[in-house]
Amino acid sequence: SQQGEEDPQALSIQEGENATMNCSYKTSINNLQWYRQNSGRGLVHLILIRSNEREKHSGRLRVTLDTSKKSSSLLITASRAADTASYFCAFNEGAQKLVFGQGTRLTINP
Amino acid sequence: DVKVTQSSRYLVKRTGEKVFLECVQDMDHENMFWYRQDPGLGLRLIYFSYDVKMKEKGDIPEGYSVSREKKERFSLILESASTNQTSMYLCASSFGRGARNEQFFGPGTRLTVL
Repeated sequence: SQQGEEDPQALSIQEGENATMNCSYKTSINNLQWYRQNSGRGLVHLILIRSNEREKHSGRLRVTLDTSKKSSSLLITASRAADTASYFCAFNEGAQKLVFGQGTRLTINP
Repeated sequence: DVKVTQSSRYLVKRTGEKVFLECVQDMDHENMFWYRQDPGLGLRLIYFSYDVKMKEKGDIPEGYSVSREKKERFSLILESASTNQTSMYLCASSFGRGARNEQFFGPGTRLTVL
């Protein structure tokens, strides 16, 4: 069972700047999802992009998917201190399970 | 809103004890999952269930068992706890068939085995 690879592992930016995180995978997928985890808590679903979609928006979040390169990116615009968290991509391995990336730890400095 | 609850936020047990971690969801979801999360290793799937009384092994089932007697409840059992099972345990649920849909997570149980 493979894991997704996320890049960078850690990212520290100033409040108001944009944050970009990348995810790569190796298999064919039905969809790719992004989750957020605040320190010591469970994961919260942010957005799901299907394999036939190239871009999706939700508030300050923008997700892209390039199935030819087997990669996805999550952009958070106009970052806030409350965006400080770890972000995980997750994709289907077959129909039965989600495979999670290692995560990107994002710190927003005031 | 979907709510997934876990029986304990923090748990300390001794080596050799039998440990029960309970998870309950209130949205009539078909699917339930147990993961463990360790630094540097991300989330790893232990067991999952697509229906009552049904269970499937995930990537790391050794040392664990599960029970799903009712649709809303999925229990993870450590038959004989060991120190290498010290970890954060996360339960999740989702609707529909399989793992294509978004998963809703509980707050996690941080288990320490001494």
